[in-house]
Amino acid sequence: DADVTQTPRNRITKTGKRIMLECSQTKGHDRMYWYRQDPGLGLRLIYYSFDVKDINKGEISDGYSVSRQAQAKFSLSLESAIPNQTALYFCATSGTGDTGELFFGEGSRLTVL
Amino acid sequence: GQNIDQPTEMTATEGAIVQINCTYQTSGFNGLFWYQQHAGEAPTFLSYNVLDGLEEKGRFSSFLSRSKGYSYLLLKELQMKDSASYLCAVMDSNYQLIWGAGTKLIIKP
Repeated sequence: DADVTQTPRNRITKTGKRIMLECSQTKGHDRMYWYRQDPGLGLRLIYYSFDVKDINKGEISDGYSVSRQAQAKFSLSLESAIPNQTALYFCATSGTGDTGELFFGEGSRLTVL
Repeated sequence: GQNIDQPTEMTATEGAIVQINCTYQTSGFNGLFWYQQHAGEAPTFLSYNVLDGLEEKGRFSSFLSRSKGYSYLLLKELQMKDSASYLCAVMDSNYQLIWGAGTKLIIKP
């Protein structure tokens, strides 16, 4: 089983709908992240959390919200989806070691029509 | 602003050597990462450089020059499975990762 699990893996929805992407991890890491990836662009950080009581906005947080339900769970919500939120979304975790290496989930492909 | 530049696409031959360059301009520097991403999959960690010089890890090596804002990833003895995108990322003074758009590497037989 994957250490970082995202659900759903694929979702097609309509403009205006509320969508939640869920992420759970078994690595025991405190730090969790949500990124989106678009063709021709680098990964862009949406939100990050360094522990259960810590939530921080990333580069592109507008239109998104998050919830850190437990150390192992970090959910991303789109309250009212719009077509330019069509993208590949990745959850990632990291420990507090020297390198800060990120461990990514398998990705959630979201299409907003 | 902060910027990471790397070539969009490169092509190489199986068994050969390829060097993927990355130049960066960031607010501070706390390390440079290379990740590999196969099509439709998650990125996976390849290397981390924080000091100048070459880090070797099997067929893959990564070089850093902080004064030049430059890194490269060197892949030797290329295999078909090395066909993937290679992402360069720099950790800035706020410990935030700034990502390049990635280099798509195509390996031909």
